[in-house]
Amino acid sequence: AQKVTQAQTEISVVEKEDVTLDCVYETRDTTYYLFWYKQPPSGELVFLIRRNSFDEQNEISGRYSWNFQKSTSSFNFTITASQVVDSAVYFCALSTNDPSGNTPLVFGKGTRLSVIA
Amino acid sequence: KAGVTQTPRYLIKTRGQQVTLSCSPISGHRSVSWYQQTPGQGLQFLFEYFSETQRNKGNFPGRFSGRQFSNSRSEMNVSTLELGDSALYLCASSLTGTNEKLFFGSGTQLSVL
Repeated sequence: AQKVTQAQTEISVVEKEDVTLDCVYETRDTTYYLFWYKQPPSGELVFLIRRNSFDEQNEISGRYSWNFQKSTSSFNFTITASQVVDSAVYFCALSTNDPSGNTPLVFGKGTRLSVIA
Repeated sequence: KAGVTQTPRYLIKTRGQQVTLSCSPISGHRSVSWYQQTPGQGLQFLFEYFSETQRNKGNFPGRFSGRQFSNSRSEMNVSTLELGDSALYLCASSLTGTNEKLFFGSGTQLSVL
């Protein structure tokens, strides 16, 4: 069975600080996909990134960066120079390919990030 | 391009009633999935529909059901509502399935009294 663990329930930082959100996943499938979504107070989840299990390249998008390490089953997300607008709940999620096809997206419990001005 | 639209935005029902929630996906998207979000359990998968067929179902009782129409619009129904069904119900659409980027609606906040 698939599982995603986000050990940090809440994080509070001061604006301009860097912050890393941790994500550890479990799966026996060799083909899988990892995601990060952001949920602002409006409630709608917003896609941030998708990574497949064969692509361990780290990615940077503006102030956001992601570190994928299969050796530790982790897919961590770093926000550099955080801003108040980054305040939201962030979810890590996992989907796999098994013999029956795509499996549903499994979400972690989420990390609530508060950025204080 | 219009996003995923969920109606209604808020709903208040009493125990024992039934409710129907609606989701209109992004044009061209054939996969629609539903999630229940509660403070205690987090985001839990309900079901996924693709081209009018249920492709996956989560671990929820039979009171939870859904369907998808030929235009990809989807509805979910909860019968005999219980207090524990109070949650934010989120719908997401994508071109082909849950292994790709999902576009979420703003959700329907259901309160069962």
